Amino acid sequence: QKEVEQDPGPLSVPEGAIVSLNCTYSNSAFQYFMWYRQYSRKGPELLMYTYSSGNKEDGRFTAQVDKSSKYISLFIRDSQPSDSATYLCAMSEAGGGNKLTFGTGTQLKVEL
Amino acid sequence: NAGVMQNPRHLVRRRGQEARLRCSPMKGHSHVYWYRQLPEEGLKFMVYLQKENIIDESGMPKERFSAEFPKEGPSILRIQQVVRGDSAAYFCASSPGNSPLRNTEAFFGQGTRLTVV
Repeated sequence: QKEVEQDPGPLSVPEGAIVSLNCTYSNSAFQYFMWYRQYSRKGPELLMYTYSSGNKEDGRFTAQVDKSSKYISLFIRDSQPSDSATYLCAMSEAGGGNKLTFGTGTQLKVEL
Repeated sequence: NAGVMQNPRHLVRRRGQEARLRCSPMKGHSHVYWYRQLPEEGLKFMVYLQKENIIDESGMPKERFSAEFPKEGPSILRIQQVVRGDSAAYFCASSPGNSPLRNTEAFFGQGTRLTVV
């Protein structure tokens, strides 16, 4: 069993839809939770990070962490074609710094 | 302020040759991380280095792979006697500190795509 599970998709939605992306994990030591966006043939770009449980909002993006369920989510409101990319969840343990454990990524396509 | 620079962007090697991947961190960053992304898989941590020191190499294969981050110059990931299974995208990330929190989070380069033929 992988430490971090993420549905690879692809996920196709119409422009303006609300997108929900999710990851589950098994390591209860994970304390920091991040979402990265990766365009084809590019490096990952940090979108959101949260520490422990709770919600965090930044513009059209909302990240949620439920440590009791070992489940994290990223919501994208008013999705745009430019949001089409692969979204990677990543996690690290307290003291683990930027040694990140990634999910396999969910491929998202926002259609006009 | 230039981002994390990796070169070459694409590298083709024959089986048995050596591959050298270079990473120049962002200005002011002294922490470097190497990750490998295999097709259909997520990024896997390989090694964490600070200047002249390997801090964590728990993700490095035991043989043929080595990494360094000298006092001067870029970080180097070296793969000796490459095999087809080494074909992957190798990403470098740098940070000013060792925490994923704001202002110390890691920024990734564009990657080096290694193809072993």
